[in-house]
This record gives sequence, C-alpha cells and structure tokens, in this order.
Amino acid sequence: EAGVVQSPRYKIIEKKQPVAFWCNPISGHNTLYWYLQNLGQGPELLIRYENEEAVDDSQLPKDRFSAERLKGVDSTLKIQPAELGDSAVYLCASSRTPTGELFFGEGSRLTVL
Amino acid sequence: GQNIDQPTEMTATEGAIVQINCTYQTSGFNGLFWYQQHAGEAPTFLSYNVLDGLEEKGRFSSFLSRSKGYSYLLLKELQMKDSASYLCAVRHYGGATNKLIFGTGTLLAVQP
Repeated sequence: EAGVVQSPRYKIIEKKQPVAFWCNPISGHNTLYWYLQNLGQGPELLIRYENEEAVDDSQLPKDRFSAERLKGVDSTLKIQPAELGDSAVYLCASSRTPTGELFFGEGSRLTVL
Repeated sequence: GQNIDQPTEMTATEGAIVQINCTYQTSGFNGLFWYQQHAGEAPTFLSYNVLDGLEEKGRFSSFLSRSKGYSYLLLKELQMKDSASYLCAVRHYGGATNKLIFGTGTLLAVQP
C-alpha cells in the first residue's frame, strides 16, 4: 500500500512569493490533515478535511493560507504571499476514519528568504 | 484549553530501558498517541491508549492513567536506531469535532 505522498520535498522562495504544496493521501482514507512543524516542535494542525469538507480550519491563517480538496482525494495548501515566518515543514497526513491513527507524508520543507 | 508536557531531551545507553513521560490537561479526552520521528522524516505511529493501563508492543510499551492525565512510553533493550524524537499527542472533543494536539516532543539520544 502506498503511503501519503507529498510534493515538493523542498522549496526555497523569496518573501512575498506564492507557494503551493500537494498531497495525495492513502487510498481509502477519507480524513486528510495539514500540519505545520517548526524545528524542535510538535506538529500543529492547520486544517482537517472529511472527504472534501473542511471540518476544522480554525488554526489556518486565512489571510494568506488557503487549502482545497476538490474531489475528496488530493489536496493542495497554498501560501500567498509567503512571509519569513512561514519557513517550516508542512506535513500532510491521512487516516481511514476521523478517530483513526494518522499516517504522515515526508513533508514539504519551505524556506522563505 | 489543552496543554501537553513532555521532557525536551533525554539520554540513555544502548541496551538499557528508558521511560518518556507525558502529562496533559484537556477536556473531552478521547485517546492518546505516541509517535516516533527521526530527524528529517515523517512521524510514524507507535501506540494508542484510550483506556487506563499498559499496552505492550514488542520493545515498546505505553501506559495511560486518565485520572492523573499521565502517560509514559517505555522503550526496552534500547538500540542506536531508537535515537529520535518521541511525540505525545492527545485527542479531545472540540465542539463537534475531534482534535489531535501534539506535544513538543522528547528528543532521545541513545549512546553506545
């Protein structure tokens, strides 16, 4: 069974530029999460989807961050414009049920210069 | 609100046993996870506790006491490859949804 796939693995951009991350969850996993992880910290939830519905986006900075999961499978997370403080690893995870164990992708490491 | 505390760093010797503690304060507790994360890699699932007691899985065991808001991860027969960050994560009911909140992680260094 293929795991959660994310791309790109690494991205370096200048501040004020846009950036997008893509996630393909494990087949059959209806719940998808985007987490942000700073160095030496635990993951922090940005948004959670049940199928195509965003059921928890309370921690997503909506002035610059947006996400979508149009067909209830793949998802994209966008930042526009990026700020220096956005430098972090963006982790995507999926679970079979809303209360099930999370499977994480390898993350997308963003560096904003 | 929710609060999760775990030690920042620990050091142990190869072959020994180490216990990583996690305390939490939350309303609507609905389970506790332990994840392992090697540097530069994704977190991987280790264990899940929702009822009080000990869950054993090979060299790893996890304990939960809901009344004390306390859990620990026990690693036996330590190997060098066990050097990693160990994340405690608590699920709780937040209104109509479940939320999974992670602690900051405990960085374990296993020495020869």
